[in-house]
Amino acid sequence: SYVLTQPPSVSVAPGQTARITCGGDNIGSKSVHWYQQKPGPAPVLVVFDDSERPSGIPERFSGSNSGDTATLTISRVEAGDEADYFCQVWDSSSDHLFVFGTGTKVTVL
Amino acid sequence: EVQLVEAGGGLIQPGGSLRLSCTASGFTVSSDHMSWVRQPPGKGLEWVSVIHSGGSTYYADSVKGRFTISRDKSKSTVYLQMSNLRAEDTAMYYCARELGATGGEYFQTWGQGTVVTVSS
Repeated sequence: SYVLTQPPSVSVAPGQTARITCGGDNIGSKSVHWYQQKPGPAPVLVVFDDSERPSGIPERFSGSNSGDTATLTISRVEAGDEADYFCQVWDSSSDHLFVFGTGTKVTVL
Repeated sequence: EVQLVEAGGGLIQPGGSLRLSCTASGFTVSSDHMSWVRQPPGKGLEWVSVIHSGGSTYYADSVKGRFTISRDKSKSTVYLQMSNLRAEDTAMYYCARELGATGGEYFQTWGQGTVVTVSS
């Protein structure tokens, strides 16, 4: 089955840039989506189709995807960005049609 | 406003059955693909099942043969019937509305979740 690998944690100071990677075999050929999950609430979509932002998501959130790695970039990090972030793709060959990454905890120092 | 509200979770013994429901407002459940996604305590997200707008259903291998997804258009509700429950089914279960082009689907809207605990 298709596997998406993320670093367990990323630490960043306020105002700096956080980059969260999502590795998968030839992931650049797929559409990658990103979710933010704060303690308690359900996940929130922050980026879809590699680099598109849903309405209401700040421009500070951006995405890219090429080769074997997709990246979610959070610019000018704020305390409120502290959360778990998951990447996701759709894969018809997998035993799970929707595959989620292992998740990355972003800590704002 | 688009909203999803899950219900039906609880404590159940191994081998037991439970039916979760997801009631939608602001859109028609039969017009979109609807999924269930679960999250074990302290762990990541796992897709469980989807019912397409046309009625086709699909399941993760881990629940195939034990879980059944269905919908009632008149009640704007999607269900997840869970049988022969195991300890590893313990999780928060989210209902999610799917969007995106074929092959690039994602979950635009999520419910608040309902907790299922399988334990004796």
